[in-house]
Amino acid sequence: EPEVTQTPSHQVTQMGQEVILRCVPISNHLYFYWYRQILGQKVEFLVSFYNNEISEKSEIFDDQFSVERPDGSNFTLKIRSTKLEDSAMYFCASSRLQGAVSGYTFGSGTRLTVV
Amino acid sequence: KNEVEQSPQNLTAQEGEFITINCSYSVGISALHWLQQHPGGGIVSLFMLSSGKKKHGRLIATINIQEKHSSLHITASHPRDSAVYICAVNLVDDMRFGAGTRLTVKP
Repeated sequence: EPEVTQTPSHQVTQMGQEVILRCVPISNHLYFYWYRQILGQKVEFLVSFYNNEISEKSEIFDDQFSVERPDGSNFTLKIRSTKLEDSAMYFCASSRLQGAVSGYTFGSGTRLTVV
Repeated sequence: KNEVEQSPQNLTAQEGEFITINCSYSVGISALHWLQQHPGGGIVSLFMLSSGKKKHGRLIATINIQEKHSSLHITASHPRDSAVYICAVNLVDDMRFGAGTRLTVKP
């Protein structure tokens, strides 16, 4: 069964450093999403991406964050100048059609620890 | 007020019991998802519903759009069903998540 692949599975970074979290969505999916889950809290929506541009973003997704689809397969989340409160599990998901019509497939997540 | 409310927060059951987890939402949605989060953190999509009922193996999900309510049922529960079950709703390009129900099934 097709999978959404996320790398790395765990990343530790110093506060103030930039990190790039990588995702390989399912190949025929067109819509891509990033979510985060701070330890012990709810999953939160960050951003959705379609046709090489952001289609929706939450209040959390400020200027510190950016997303990119640098080639035909990768979908990346960049966090500039990480803060301690950015420590969380970050999930990528993709869907073939806009969310209401087809289901989402989630990656297994990247656990980011900012020290 | 949370847009997505789940109950119960925690649930402990004996192997073989029938389990129900409830989800209520307060906003207009295009679809509702039931997700399973394993102890390691990974998320698996179980169901996506916009009406009626879906069944997959021992899992059944129902939704009542008029009442803004959905239930996830697990028949003949097993210790491997132990996980956090999350209800999430689609708002066009956005998803809102419930806080999850932590299910523990004891042998």
